[in-house]
Amino acid sequence: DTEVTQTPKHLVMGMTNKKSLKCEQHMGHRAMYWYKQKAKKPPELMFVYSYEKLSINESVPSRFSPECPNSSLLNLHLHALQPEDSALYLCASSQDPRDREHYGYTFGSGTRLTVV
Amino acid sequence: GQQVMQIPQYQHVQEGEDFTTYCNSSTTLSNIQWYKQRPGGHPVFLIQLVKSGEVKKQKRLTFQFGEAKKNSSLHITATQTTDVGTYFCAGATRGTSYGKLTFGQGTILTVHP
Repeated sequence: DTEVTQTPKHLVMGMTNKKSLKCEQHMGHRAMYWYKQKAKKPPELMFVYSYEKLSINESVPSRFSPECPNSSLLNLHLHALQPEDSALYLCASSQDPRDREHYGYTFGSGTRLTVV
Repeated sequence: GQQVMQIPQYQHVQEGEDFTTYCNSSTTLSNIQWYKQRPGGHPVFLIQLVKSGEVKKQKRLTFQFGEAKKNSSLHITATQTTDVGTYFCAGATRGTSYGKLTFGQGTILTVHP
């Protein structure tokens, strides 16, 4: 299995809703990431988990709450989002970043989120 | 903070023409990666360059890493319509914790048949 699987593929939510995005990989990768991507822009890093521990939070608002239940799963909990949070949310994984020979990221196909 | 500048922002070519996109970093990089994102798709890892002056080829694609490890380029020979998409470079610096990459702005390639 060489994929990162994200669900759902599309999500429409109101500003008072609570929803969760899910990400799963079975490649044995020990680093997992959440990115946000707006149209015609590069991916923007939100969170990094390494060995199931949060190692980087790029000053993301608290309405986004990440969770890594185990080495294969990554969740992003959403609450009280704003319309400007509408974007493509990408999950990615990579092998131990200290092993530079296997450093490339594998991205999931993303969740296209619309906040109304 | 670290910045990775990528040019051009857009490139329109006729099928069969060559294409090049360039990345420049404000700081020395430990490695640089290249990704391709098809329209409506997600970024797909193409290659990683680690060594100063490194050149790698993948069929019609040639990747270079500068001697000072501050710049990189991707060259596509004889473009095809399947090359359409956005090409991103992404750099990492020494001491960056846990694989944090800085992405360039991307070059959007359009290929006219």
